This record gives sequence, structure tokens and C-alpha cells, in this order.
Amino acid sequence: RKEVEQDPGPFNVPEGATVAFNCTYSNSASQSFFWYRQDCRKEPKLLMSVYSSGNEDGRFTAQLNRASQYISLLIRDSKLSDSATYLCVVNDRETSGSRLTFGEGTQLTVNP
Amino acid sequence: NAGVTQTPKFQVLKTGQSMTLQCAQDMNHNSMYWYRQDPGMGLRLIYYSASEGTTDKGEVPNGYNVSRLNKREFSLRLESAAPSQTSVYFCASRTGSSYGYTFGSGTRLTVV
Repeated sequence: RKEVEQDPGPFNVPEGATVAFNCTYSNSASQSFFWYRQDCRKEPKLLMSVYSSGNEDGRFTAQLNRASQYISLLIRDSKLSDSATYLCVVNDRETSGSRLTFGEGTQLTVNP
Repeated sequence: NAGVTQTPKFQVLKTGQSMTLQCAQDMNHNSMYWYRQDPGMGLRLIYYSASEGTTDKGEVPNGYNVSRLNKREFSLRLESAAPSQTSVYFCASRTGSSYGYTFGSGTRLTVV
């Protein structure tokens, strides 16, 4: 089983649509959670952290369910500029430090 | 601030050649990481350095070596390049385990 699994996608939606991405993680001891965005041929960039109480940043809402080991990202009123690959990311603690584990990503295309 | 700077941006190597990928950050981050990204495989951790003076293997360390030269710099060396090492390499850093990474813009390496 992969450590972080995401919806395989791709998602194609019209402008203005609401789209949701889902992610599950296997390590119940995982500590921190993030969503990253990656544009074609660019580096990943932090979109938002994910908190247990849920958090919102403009049109973006992230939710975490620790009991189910499930993370979600909701994008409302999609814009053309939201077209990208969205990466679900989990922080795992190792004995010598900690590292982020990335899902393979879900590609989103927002169409005019 | 420059953030995380990687050099070179592009490189073509012949099988068996060696090279070093350079990474430097100016954010006073403690931890630095090297990932490779391949289609269908997502981002995979090669090596990381939780703090200056320490390095540890990630998921796919074979064929690579690293040096944490000082707090700012973390280099990745390919001693004898193989076609399987054709990939996009990303360096990343962060200040602590509760935080996300800042990535460099990547090095696109082709081994022929």
C-alpha cells in the first residue's frame, strides 16, 4: 500500500465549478499535513497546511480526519489559473529527523 | 531573498560520467532534502539532512551521495550516471518538522 494515496484524476471542470480532491495516508503517527500545487515543469509550491479543525484560505478549504486518516481539499469557484497538479503531503517522523511524503498528485484542468 | 537555488538547471550526461548537483538556501533553514520526480512515480526522497553535519538515506539512495557542506549548502553527487537516473531533481529546505518545504526550481538531468 502506498503511504499517501490520492484520487488518480485527471479532473476537467468548467470555470466556476467546485472540485474536491481526496487523499488517504497509511501512517497513523503522521504529524503534519499539507497541500502543494505544481504547475507544469515547475517546482511544487506550498498551497496550504491542513489542521485538525479544518482551515480555509479564500476559495480553498482543507479538512483532516485523523481517525480515518483522510485529507481533503475543496476548491470553490474554480479559475483558469487553478489548473495544476495538486499534491497531498504528509510529514512522517523518523528517528533521525522527519521528512515529507508526497502523493503522486491529481491533475486539474479548469476549462473556459 | 533567492530562497533555494539549484544549479545547473539542465544537464545531459553520458552513461558512466559523474556530476554534482548544487543546492543552496539563504533562509537559515536547518533541514535540506533531495528528491527526484519521475512520471507516474511522484516525488521520491533520495537523501536528506535534518541538520548541519548529518545526512540520511531516503527511499532511493542507490547511485547517489550527498554532502552537507555547511548550513546553506547541500550537494548531490552521481558517481557513475546511468540512464535510470534520468529525472528531474528537486532540492528543498525547511526550518523545522512542522513546516512545509521550499523547493528549488529543479535540475532536469538526462543520461544517454
